[in-house]
Amino acid sequence: LAKTTQPISMDSYEGQEVNITCSHNNIATNDYITWYQQFPSQGPRFIIQGYKTKVTNEVASLFIPADRKSSTLSLPRVSLSDTAVYYCLVGVLNNAGNMLTFGGGTRLMVKP
Amino acid sequence: DSGVTQTPKHLITATGQRVTLRCSPRSGDLSVYWYQQSLDQGLQFLIQYYNGEERAKGNILERFSAQQFPDLHSELNLSSLELGDSALYFCASSPSFRMSNYGYTFGSGTRLTVV
Repeated sequence: LAKTTQPISMDSYEGQEVNITCSHNNIATNDYITWYQQFPSQGPRFIIQGYKTKVTNEVASLFIPADRKSSTLSLPRVSLSDTAVYYCLVGVLNNAGNMLTFGGGTRLMVKP
Repeated sequence: DSGVTQTPKHLITATGQRVTLRCSPRSGDLSVYWYQQSLDQGLQFLIQYYNGEERAKGNILERFSAQQFPDLHSELNLSSLELGDSALYFCASSPSFRMSNYGYTFGSGTRLTVV
């Protein structure tokens, strides 16, 4: 699995757009990029997944440049309830032995 | 409610004891994954079962073991417990042995406290 690097923490204010960037320089051709959100004492929750360019769902957008060595999770107009840890994971969807390895994640604090 | 059920939610036990954590996967999911999350270690993958068979193994101690039963529920057995085993234990599930297009679905966890 490709190693990922994310900022340890970020602060934002309600109503702002938050962009969290993840570096994955050793991403392989078949690797997908997946983001999870985790609230304290809860299990991680899938947010979004992509392979290249841009993916958007009702919760977030994921931007992946052409070289795929990084990705950016974009949360539009955050609220206090978006305060959580966000994990970036890179791996192969069809790897029979795949096991998601979570790095340290980015602790997002949204302030009023 | 994610559809993945873990019991018990909280467990307090003494060092040297043995406990069993239970997980029922989301309906239709055949794979179960166990993770340990402690304050200083983050989320550590322990083991994966698919349709009753062990599929992948991570950083699981020899004192720990797991199994998946014919009805697809899974149990994680922790023995000779040490203070350092205190952590949140999460179970996740997915439809097949692969990560789906929607990732894994996690349960709400079992908080184990060893005293």
